[in-house]
Amino acid sequence: QQQVKQSPQSLIVQKGGISIINCAYENTAFDYFPWYQQFPGKGPALLIAIRPDVSEKKEGRFTISFNKSAKQFSLHIMDSQPGDSATYFCAASGSGGSYIPTFGRGTSLIVHP
Amino acid sequence: EPEVTQTPSHQVTQMGQEVILRCVPISNHLYFYWYRQILGQKVEFLVSFYNNEISEKSEIFDDQFSVERPDGSNFTLKIRSTKLEDSAMYFCASSPGTQGNEQFFGPGTRLTVL
Repeated sequence: QQQVKQSPQSLIVQKGGISIINCAYENTAFDYFPWYQQFPGKGPALLIAIRPDVSEKKEGRFTISFNKSAKQFSLHIMDSQPGDSATYFCAASGSGGSYIPTFGRGTSLIVHP
Repeated sequence: EPEVTQTPSHQVTQMGQEVILRCVPISNHLYFYWYRQILGQKVEFLVSFYNNEISEKSEIFDDQFSVERPDGSNFTLKIRSTKLEDSAMYFCASSPGTQGNEQFFGPGTRLTVL
């Protein structure tokens, strides 16, 4: 099964708060888990990615937490800013037959000033 | 910073007409992709292209779709006879050395089929 399930569908946080978006996958052959950020009218842009050999990766205010046994990974945005307001997609790809990423359905994040 | 470019940004066409969407991938990239995103929905894979041939395609990529790399820089998606349900954003992406990983997306072409 190639699905990647993403939640929540939408998220509203106050400036300075923590935004958390969760994803779960089924295919254990996935070995690359990127997060994409998409602003209205633009293409998805790679934000941060993780491979299953580590449980966490941090880049600035963005952190991916990865739980291999639970087949779950999440994006945490610390000190959320209005400029972070966008749609976030998780994805998963791997060497188990297909390198093509399977995308989650997306989370619309709104950060209120 | 190098980026993927796409033209046109918006294409309006009549049902049954042929459209060609154009992309210029990042110059040293080897893998090229087309995705589509119906308004408000997730990004869906259409086709990947490597070494001048299709390497993988989805169920969406049926006989009405074709891709071509007519020269060393352009990568095109042709929809032979457009349907209303083809209305979507179409994104081109490229990646440097490994399929699927670290893809760089273009800004998209919004296709509206009337």
